[in-house]
Amino acid sequence: AQKVTQAQTEISVVEKEDVTLDCVYETRDTTYYLFWYKQPPSGELVFLIRRNSFDEQNEISGRYSWNFQKSTSSFNFTITASQVVDSAVYFCALSEAYNNAGNMLTFGGGTRLMVKP
Amino acid sequence: EAQVTQNPRYLITVTGKKLTVTCSQNMNHEYMSWYRQDPGLGLRQIYYSMNVEVTDKGDVPEGYKVSRKEKRNFPLILESPSPNQTSLYFCASRRVHTDTQYFGPGTRLTVL
Repeated sequence: AQKVTQAQTEISVVEKEDVTLDCVYETRDTTYYLFWYKQPPSGELVFLIRRNSFDEQNEISGRYSWNFQKSTSSFNFTITASQVVDSAVYFCALSEAYNNAGNMLTFGGGTRLMVKP
Repeated sequence: EAQVTQNPRYLITVTGKKLTVTCSQNMNHEYMSWYRQDPGLGLRQIYYSMNVEVTDKGDVPEGYKVSRKEKRNFPLILESPSPNQTSLYFCASRRVHTDTQYFGPGTRLTVL
């Protein structure tokens, strides 16, 4: 069965600090997909990134970067020079490619990030 | 604009009063699903549908029903709501042969 763990339930930083959100996953499939979603205070879920299990290349998008390490089953998310607008709950999610008829996303419990001015 | 819509966005009801939360997508997606979000648990899948007239249970289907009579719509039905169904509900959809799901804005349901 698939499982996602976000050990940090809440993180508080001061604006301009860098912050890393941890995500550890478990799966028996060799092919799977990992996601990060952002949930701002307004409540909607905003898709940030998708990574498949064969692509371990790290990715950078502006102030956001993702570090995928299969050896440690981790898919961590770093925000550089954080801003108040980054305050949100961030979810890591996993989808197995084969044993997953409903294309179910398994979510971690979420990490609430608070960026103070 | 490509989107998933849900109605209502907020609902307060009482135990046992049947309700329906609608979900509609305009992207011609085959897959649709419902999730509920609870503190510390992330989102959990309730039901999903692979296409019209094809539905199946997710992780937490008890107390819910769904139907898929048209490709664009996937309503969530609570025949006899109970307080433990107080939650934030999300509808999602995706195209076949892709794996990225797109979520609606959420429906916050309170059952008294």
